[in-house]
Amino acid sequence: KQEVTQIPAALSVPEGENLVLNCSFTDSAIYNLQWFRQDPGKGLTSLLLIQSSQREQTSGRLNASLDKSSGRSTLYIAASQPGDSATYLCAVSAVGGATNKLIFGTGTLLAVQP
Amino acid sequence: AAGVIQSPRHLIKEKRETATLKCYPIPRHDTVYWYQQGPGQDPQFLISFYEKMQSDKGSIPDRFSAQQFSDYHSELNMSSLELGDSALYFCASSLQASWEQYFGPGTRLTVT
Repeated sequence: KQEVTQIPAALSVPEGENLVLNCSFTDSAIYNLQWFRQDPGKGLTSLLLIQSSQREQTSGRLNASLDKSSGRSTLYIAASQPGDSATYLCAVSAVGGATNKLIFGTGTLLAVQP
Repeated sequence: AAGVIQSPRHLIKEKRETATLKCYPIPRHDTVYWYQQGPGQDPQFLISFYEKMQSDKGSIPDRFSAQQFSDYHSELNMSSLELGDSALYFCASSLQASWEQYFGPGTRLTVT
């Protein structure tokens, strides 16, 4: 059974700092991995999608890497801003079937202090 | 760009009542997923549909049922509601070819 873990569970950093969020998964047979952002009580905003054949994806100040063989992904946020404060979730998409359900990690709660 | 639409956004029901949640996927998306997110928890997969056929099932109670209609919108029907059903219910849609899932804003269900 696929299990997704995120470390740390919570992180507080001063504005301007670069930071790394970690995601690990137990079964390397994944189709892709998505990073999401969730504001309190709100929906999920997709940040980056990495296909299993890719090593990394970049969007603005965000860079996500994937090492499928070791079951790890990282989300790098450069020059953090208070507006980045949110919960960050990674989710892996399992191989097989006509649809690929996402299995989510427990998230990292990020607070960027002004 | 059009996004996933969910209605209602908020719903308050009493125990043992029935609720119906609706999801309208992004135009031309052929796949719909339902997820449940309890307070302080990560989203859990409930059920998915591809081309109007049920494709995969997660930890969805027997009291819940869902379907995808000819216009690709989907409805999640929840009966005999329990306090533990209080959660955010997300719908996501995707194109089977790309697999990237786009989430709606969610329906917050409160069971009293």
